Amino acid sequence: SQQGEEDPQALSIQEGENATMNCSYKTSINNLQWYRQNSGRGLVHLILIRSNEREKHSGRLRVTLDTSKKSSSLLITASRAADTASYFCATVFSGNTPLVFGKGTRLSVIA
Amino acid sequence: GAGVSQSPSNKVTEKGKDVELRCDPISGHTALYWYRQSLGQGLEFLIYFQGNSAPDKSGLPSDRFSAERTGGSVSTLTIQRTQQEDSAVYLCASSQRGPHTDTQYFGPGTRLTVL
Repeated sequence: SQQGEEDPQALSIQEGENATMNCSYKTSINNLQWYRQNSGRGLVHLILIRSNEREKHSGRLRVTLDTSKKSSSLLITASRAADTASYFCATVFSGNTPLVFGKGTRLSVIA
Repeated sequence: GAGVSQSPSNKVTEKGKDVELRCDPISGHTALYWYRQSLGQGLEFLIYFQGNSAPDKSGLPSDRFSAERTGGSVSTLTIQRTQQEDSAVYLCASSQRGPHTDTQYFGPGTRLTVL
């Protein structure tokens, strides 16, 4: 399977703490994207990082990409209860292929 | 502007019946995708339309599943002779161009329950 694998599967933290989620994949990619999903419905795009980039920031989000290790991490700083959701990494492999999603990390932020 | 919309939001059907799920992409987006998400699972790619090119159907799980996109806009996913294992949330997404360069914008999904 070319599926990305998120780690951990579930994460529970206190409000104000940082949350780190990891994603590993198996083959070379064109880009990697992180999405958030609330209540099992539509996904919201967070960040896209290209294979020639190593780090991107967006507000309280920081994404890193290590193509040599075929891994990415999503860091949410100063977490809030509203950050409670499932977070998915999705990869676009070389070639005209669609996104391949992992099974996600379920983040719970406790107020 | 308006996002991706899907209808119905919920569909309950009996085993063996056919169902049609609709997706209205963001206006001007050339690429449209269908995914399926079973309980507690990640998204499973089903089919991808890009402009006037032949669709990528490699993710369709069986020949009971089909999709069309009329006029490069609205898409319909049809499941014939539904089975209980077809129960899932079906998500549609669109992007301005293709998956290499663009963010995909997702609709709210259709929750299908096959009794």
